[in-house]
Amino acid sequence: GEDVEQSLFLSVREGDSSVINCTYTDSSSTYLYWYKQEPGAGLQLLTYIFSNMDMKQDQRLTVLLNKKDKHLSLRIADTQTGDSAIYFCAEGLNNAGNMLTFGGGTRLMVKP
Amino acid sequence: DAGVIQSPRHEVTEMGQEVTLRCKPISGHDYLFWYRQTMMRGLELLIYFNNNVPIDDSGMPEDRFSAKMPNASFSTLKIQPSEPRDSAVYFCASSPNRALVTEAFFGQGTRLTVV
Repeated sequence: GEDVEQSLFLSVREGDSSVINCTYTDSSSTYLYWYKQEPGAGLQLLTYIFSNMDMKQDQRLTVLLNKKDKHLSLRIADTQTGDSAIYFCAEGLNNAGNMLTFGGGTRLMVKP
Repeated sequence: DAGVIQSPRHEVTEMGQEVTLRCKPISGHDYLFWYRQTMMRGLELLIYFNNNVPIDDSGMPEDRFSAKMPNASFSTLKIQPSEPRDSAVYFCASSPNRALVTEAFFGQGTRLTVV
């Protein structure tokens, strides 16, 4: 079956860039998503990218996709303490909510 | 709209007891999803409904789990009897027609602890 892997933990200093990485196994994935989960809160969709794109930028967020290597990354520029959260990578065959496979999440800690 | 509302936020129960988790989707959303989040297995889809009808329950771990959606504004996930391995955070999410992920909203989750 599909598998999505992420590193468990990342620590950065405020103002630095954060790069959260994700690998997936399903080559037929069409949509790739990044979610943010703050303490005690649900998942918030941050951004997503189609598999025919290499990069997507949205303000401080940059998503890079290497489809050949099945590698997805989320770069957060000028990381702030408010960015401290768990970030989940997810992939889907289509944009349907029943077809998502999530990674285990990367806990980002931002030190002042 | 207040978003997807789940209750309770936290639940602690003893093994063998029945547990009922509740979800109120966003008004007008036709799709409702129940997810379970654990350290070991990450986030998994348990079941989803379309217009109050269960469409796919293949993610429900076993017969001890059941979910209902008696009307468009309310859904329950019941575990009977509960076991310690059911301890997890249970999320409900809703989305408008076509169940698009990019239009789905998650609730804050219910943290269940079974002792």
